[in-house]
Amino acid sequence: ETGVTQTPRHLVMGMTNKKSLKCEQHLGHNAMYWYKQSAKKPLELMFVYNFKEQTENNSVPSRFSPECPNSSHLFLHLHTLQPEDSALYLCASSPREGKKETQYFGPGTRLLVL
Amino acid sequence: KNQVEQSPQSLIILEGKNCTLQCNYTVSPFSNLRWYKQDTGRGPVSLTIMTFSENTKSNGRYTATLDADTKQSSLHITASQLSDSASYICVVSAVVGGGNKLTFGTGTQLKVEL
Repeated sequence: ETGVTQTPRHLVMGMTNKKSLKCEQHLGHNAMYWYKQSAKKPLELMFVYNFKEQTENNSVPSRFSPECPNSSHLFLHLHTLQPEDSALYLCASSPREGKKETQYFGPGTRLLVL
Repeated sequence: KNQVEQSPQSLIILEGKNCTLQCNYTVSPFSNLRWYKQDTGRGPVSLTIMTFSENTKSNGRYTATLDADTKQSSLHITASQLSDSASYICVVSAVVGGGNKLTFGTGTQLKVEL
């Protein structure tokens, strides 16, 4: 295990639902990340938090709303999603945001939007 | 445009055989290159990281090489095992505006068979 946990592991939701993805890291890291992984596409960085402050929003639609209440927890709130949002959502953490920091990934949440 | 291209897209080999995965990149200015292994249903796990001055790095049966002049990297797996079946992702980091930007390849799907 990498020390990064994600819940739920699988989620099916309708386009009108509201749900939240949760990520927790037990590594004492200060940077946390949300990625989207679609089939046959590279990982797409969505959001970055460094010491609880959002430092990057990669032009993500507003139907995805991140929340970082503390350095150990990261949420991704979902509402009125589209079928094309179906993907594997990965959370990662690193000691801090930086070019030499290795990111440790969670197992991901497999999301299906109907 | 920063890009990372991996080949082959997928590969099947027999247990015990060696294989080499390729990564070509156009990322600039180059900071470092990482290889990740992603098992099915799990998040990526870092295998190696190499900076500009390093041209080879080993992690057990995994050996990564880097040619910064030709902007190519390879991941060589020796004496493959069934547990090596996974997606191998090449990630190149660039320093952009004082920050760090990662560009991910689409991965090589490796299957090791008996």
